[in-house]
Amino acid sequence: AQKVTQAQTEISVVEKEDVTLDCVYETRDTTYYLFWYKQPPSGELVFLIRRNSFDEQNEISGRYSWNFQKSTSSFNFTITASQVVDSAVYFCALSGIPSGTYKYIFGTGTRLKVLA
Amino acid sequence: NAGVTQTPKFQVLKTGQSMTLQCAQDMNHEYMSWYRQDPGMGLRLIHYSVGAGITDQGEVPNGYNVSRSTTEDFPLRLLSAAPSQTSVYFCASSSLGGVETEAFFGQGTRLTVV
Repeated sequence: AQKVTQAQTEISVVEKEDVTLDCVYETRDTTYYLFWYKQPPSGELVFLIRRNSFDEQNEISGRYSWNFQKSTSSFNFTITASQVVDSAVYFCALSGIPSGTYKYIFGTGTRLKVLA
Repeated sequence: NAGVTQTPKFQVLKTGQSMTLQCAQDMNHEYMSWYRQDPGMGLRLIHYSVGAGITDQGEVPNGYNVSRSTTEDFPLRLLSAAPSQTSVYFCASSSLGGVETEAFFGQGTRLTVV
């Protein structure tokens, strides 16, 4: 079965600190996709990044970076020099085609609070 | 660019009432889905569709019905609302097979059942 675990329920940091949000996944698929979404206090869900199972290259986008490691089934997200605007709930998601069906499964989310 | 449009944004129902949450997308996406978001539970998949005329159950389908008569629309029906269905509901759509690309989400519907 597919599963996404975000063990950190809530993290508080002081502005300008670096913070890493953990995501561990389980799947039997050989081809799958991993995503991160941000949900700011306004409630909408904003796509941040997609990674497929064949691409283990880490990615950096401004202050955001992602570390994908198939060996540990993890897809962690780091924010460098955090800002108050980064305060949000962050969701990791996994998709694949198990048994011929299409599923898009989310973790329970990590609430990040960045304090000024 | 409208993207994914959900209506209504807020709704209060009495136990036993029925209602339909509307979802429409204008991106010609094949894949559409409904999630509910509850505190500490993340987003849980209710139903999904890979194209017009094709629907399937997700993780928490009980108490909800869906249909997909057109590519654009994917309504979610609550036939007899229960307090346990109090939640925030999100509709999403994505292209291709639905699992390869990012999902686009509506603004959400906050439903309270009293």
